[in-house]
Amino acid sequence: DIVMTQSPDSLAVSLGERATINCKSSQSILSSSNNKNYLAWYQQKPGQPPKLLIYWASTRESGVPDRFSGSGSGTDFTLTISSLQAEDVAVYFCQQYYNTPPYTFGQGTKLEI
Amino acid sequence: QVQLVESGGGVVQPGRSLRLSCAASGFTLNEYSIHWVRQAPGKGLEWVALRWYDGSNKEYADSVKGRFTISRDMSKNTVYLEMNSLRAEDTAVYYCARDGVPFYDYIWGSYRPNYLDSWGQGTLVTVSS
Repeated sequence: DIVMTQSPDSLAVSLGERATINCKSSQSILSSSNNKNYLAWYQQKPGQPPKLLIYWASTRESGVPDRFSGSGSGTDFTLTISSLQAEDVAVYFCQQYYNTPPYTFGQGTKLEI
Repeated sequence: QVQLVESGGGVVQPGRSLRLSCAASGFTLNEYSIHWVRQAPGKGLEWVALRWYDGSNKEYADSVKGRFTISRDMSKNTVYLEMNSLRAEDTAVYYCARDGVPFYDYIWGSYRPNYLDSWGQGTLVTVSS
């Protein structure tokens, strides 16, 4: 199974500042056939289900603010929030869908102000 | 709009069974695969099971294989998760979620499931004596 490891486990960032969350996979999740990275990012606010933010490592889901961006390739990925807003306080999860099953998630990163 | 509504959770004794339902609206189940994901209290997300859009494949996490079964009722546009031989470690909020790519939009070779683009609110299952 592919293991997804996020860092840090928690992060405190000031309003308006940049937040960066990392995700590392135990093996490459880049497909040589279509040159796509099979990685998604989700946001989960307290008491709510997860919400899809980013897929294919860098494609923003419709309606997601452009301050959220995803980058990386192969085994190392990053979710960046360019200017933190109060409503971005949440837990963020990465997930691989390359070598499945299982469709493994990272352990989560708690983002606070 | 796309909506998924889970039901059927509750308190159940170890060793007993429970069936969860996931009622879908705003899309048809024969076009999208459906996942079940669970989250133990205060913990992260664990993928549990998946039913391909056409029922040709059903996939399970090792932790539930042989105990859980995913099925579908097309007439009700509903997916079920039948959970048998429940254990304390199955205690969690169970979410159903739609796969992000309908089979007819999959352009990267043979169809395979992907990311999860729409989630239900979840239903809590507590396994306790």
